[in-house]
Amino acid sequence: GDSVTQMEGPVTLSEEAFLTINCTYTATGYPSLFWYVQYPGEGLQLLLKATKADDKGSNKGFEATYRKETTSFHLEKGSVQVSDSAVYFCALSDLNNDMRFGAGTRLTVKP
Amino acid sequence: DAEITQSPRHKITETGRQVTLACHQTWNHNNMFWYRQDLGHGLRLIHYSYGVHDTNKGEVSDGYSVSRSNTEDLPLTLESAASSQTSVYFCASSDKRQETQYFGPGTRLLVL
Repeated sequence: GDSVTQMEGPVTLSEEAFLTINCTYTATGYPSLFWYVQYPGEGLQLLLKATKADDKGSNKGFEATYRKETTSFHLEKGSVQVSDSAVYFCALSDLNNDMRFGAGTRLTVKP
Repeated sequence: DAEITQSPRHKITETGRQVTLACHQTWNHNNMFWYRQDLGHGLRLIHYSYGVHDTNKGEVSDGYSVSRSNTEDLPLTLESAASSQTSVYFCASSDKRQETQYFGPGTRLLVL
């Protein structure tokens, strides 16, 4: 079945460092791909999404490009801030299967 | 503004008791979901519903049940709580399949 694999954390970076969180997927159809973020004590919220190959999702300085040839949707940000500290989840969804989440990657940004 | 709420936010119960967690959304979404979140497992789907009177089992449905009598609510019942059901529970909703899911704030459940 469909699945998502994302890099294990935790990830610790200094403020203004470059961030990459890797995400790869397995799917039989044409899924939509998502990144969700979970701040401490809160539910998940959508960070960005892409619905077809070569689409780039972006929000709050974060970007991810839907790469069908490498089945990947890596999350990047050029300069992280302390306020970006959170858990990040990669996910996919298609018409036959609802949202499948990766295990989550905890990011800590130090001043 | 539309929202999705969960109650209670925190619950302590004893093994063997029946517990019901409430989820209410004002998005008028057809689809509603219950997940549990545990360290090392990410989010796992418990039950979901694609409309009134529709319910389906997810990946970890044993020991849980849901019912959907209206669009806004999907209560989750633990029939006989077990210590293995200590977890954080999240409710979510979406307008259509393959679309963004909107999450509630979560319920932290401790079964002693």
